[in-house]
Parts: sequence; structure tokens; C-alpha cells
Amino acid sequence: AQSVTQLDSQVPVFEEAPVELRCNYSSSVSVYLFWYVQYPNQGLQLLLKYLSGSTLVESINGFEAEFNKSQTSFHLRKPSVHISDTAEYFCAVSIIQGAQKLVFGQGTRLTINP
Amino acid sequence: DVKVTQSSRYLVKRTGEKVFLECVQDMDHENMFWYRQDPGLGLRLIYFSYDVKMKEKGDIPEGYSVSREKKERFSLILESASTNQTSMYLCASSLSGRQWTDTQYFGPGTRLTVL
Repeated sequence: AQSVTQLDSQVPVFEEAPVELRCNYSSSVSVYLFWYVQYPNQGLQLLLKYLSGSTLVESINGFEAEFNKSQTSFHLRKPSVHISDTAEYFCAVSIIQGAQKLVFGQGTRLTINP
Repeated sequence: DVKVTQSSRYLVKRTGEKVFLECVQDMDHENMFWYRQDPGLGLRLIYFSYDVKMKEKGDIPEGYSVSREKKERFSLILESASTNQTSMYLCASSLSGRQWTDTQYFGPGTRLTVL
């Protein structure tokens, strides 16, 4: 069975500080990796995804994530956060087998303090 | 832009009632999904469908059923609502049946309270 673990349920940081949201996965088959973000009172939207090629992927708003196959991790980072980054972040894997399904982690609530 | 709409943002029902949650997408997507979102548990897949009249169970289908009579519409049905079904329900869609790389597009969610 596949699983995704987000190691921190809540991460409080100060504005302009760096942040890392951790994600580890377990799967017996190959996967694609995703980060989704849920802003307050909104549905989820895609932040970035790793499909192949360079293990470092970037989003348009300054987040980046690095796929580490040996550690089965896909941690999300941003060098300097803004108040507008306050949201819940979900790591997910798409199992390369059968119908398209996403398995989500538990979510990490990122709170930015001024 | 893909738009996924859900019929209600908030819904309050009583134990034992039959509940319908409706979801509509406007981009001719083949796949549609129903999740429930609970604090500390993330999103869990209830049912999904990759074609009209087709459905597959997800990880937590018990107590739920679904209907997909038209490509753009996917309904979640609680035959007899119970208090442990109080949750946020999210609908999503994606473009094609077996493309594991596809982005899923989510609706705003329906917060269901069962009293």
C-alpha cells in the first residue's frame, strides 16, 4: 500500500523567514509527486509537481521542492515567506498503476506571523 | 480556466436523512473524484469515476454511493446520514482516464454537518 507522511501538522514562522515543509512517501511502485495548497475558505489548487527530469521543481510564487528517491522525500521550501503564504499545504503521490488516483498526506498548516 | 462547482458551501442535515452533494465541471474532463477532508487526516478518497456511468470505490466508500449520468456531473449520495459523516467534502476533476501526471482541479468544498 502507498502512504504519504507530512511530519509537521503546523509550522509557524515569521514573515521573510525561510520555511521547509517535510513530506515522505512509501510506495512499492513508481509515483509522481505533487504539492497542493489550500488558502483559507478555498478549494485545493496545484502548487507544483515532479514528473521526471530535474529533481528540483519550482512554482511561480517562489516555492520549490526536491525529489529525493533514496530518502523517498519531496520536501517543500521557500527562502522567504509572505503573509499571503498562510495556507494548508498537502503533499500527494500519484501511483503509476491502474486508474489515476492521488494519495494525500495529512496536511501542514503554515502560519506566517508579522 | 477549469471550473468545478459544488451545489452548496454549507449543509446541515439530520441523522437518517438522505443527502445529495452535487458537483459540476465545465472542461469536459473524464475523471471525477469525491474526497472528504478531516483535520489531521488530510484528504481521503471516497469514490471516483473515469467515465459516464462508471464508478470505482476509493479508500473509504462505506456509507456512500455515487452517480454519474452525464460527463460533467458527479453526485455523492449519503443514503442515511450519520454524525460520523460530518466533514468537508471536496469534489475534483482531471482531464483523462489513465494519465497519472494530470492535475486535479478542486471545487470549493461543501461543509456538511449531520445533527
